[in-house]
Amino acid sequence: SQQGEEDPQALSIQEGENATMNCSYKTSINNLQWYRQNSGRGLVHLILIRSNEREKHSGRLRVTLDTSKKSSSLLITASRAADTASYFCATDEGVGNEKLTFGTGTRLTIIP
Amino acid sequence: DTAVSQTPKYLVTQMGNDKSIKCEQNLGHDTMYWYKQDSKKFLKIMFSYNNKELIINETVPNRFSPKSPDKAHLNLHINSLELGDSAVYFCASSQLLGERYTFGSGTRLTVV
Repeated sequence: SQQGEEDPQALSIQEGENATMNCSYKTSINNLQWYRQNSGRGLVHLILIRSNEREKHSGRLRVTLDTSKKSSSLLITASRAADTASYFCATDEGVGNEKLTFGTGTRLTIIP
Repeated sequence: DTAVSQTPKYLVTQMGNDKSIKCEQNLGHDTMYWYKQDSKKFLKIMFSYNNKELIINETVPNRFSPKSPDKAHLNLHINSLELGDSAVYFCASSQLLGERYTFGSGTRLTVV
């Protein structure tokens, strides 16, 4: 079964605007991660947030985690054409079940 | 240098054939994975190996047999290929279980 579901499924914004993607999951987690996948390529790790953290930043990326709502959001600020890709959240349930379960992905298109 | 390399990149084969996909990582990671991405971009874990030992077999048909000759290599052999096996197969590795995967660029398998 799918652990994470991203919302929206697709998002188109103008270059320079901010993009926000959301992820909901079902079980308790050890950590949540976001990955980017460019068309025809493998996934690239962006950021990891642990279950005891609420917010994390990395360059133009900001991730929040609300374990009470079992949800996370990824904010990309000042978007660029090169940010066009699919973005996936992935959860690790922790000890005894250390594997990443991926969500359904958000297709982000940045319009120049 | 490619961190996680898969070969071949494309594979077109007839139903009933047997094929192999090779994966090598030069990151010194202890854990390697195989994921299957379907036509809707949904990623599902198939296998996980830690130091050459199988730790996850996610109810994959026994036509799929992973082999890890050493911790830098994880190959996937598929017997009696079926139409439903058509997908993109990704190899990945990580130093810690469930954290910060590095993915290969994928092998697009088409069964005709």
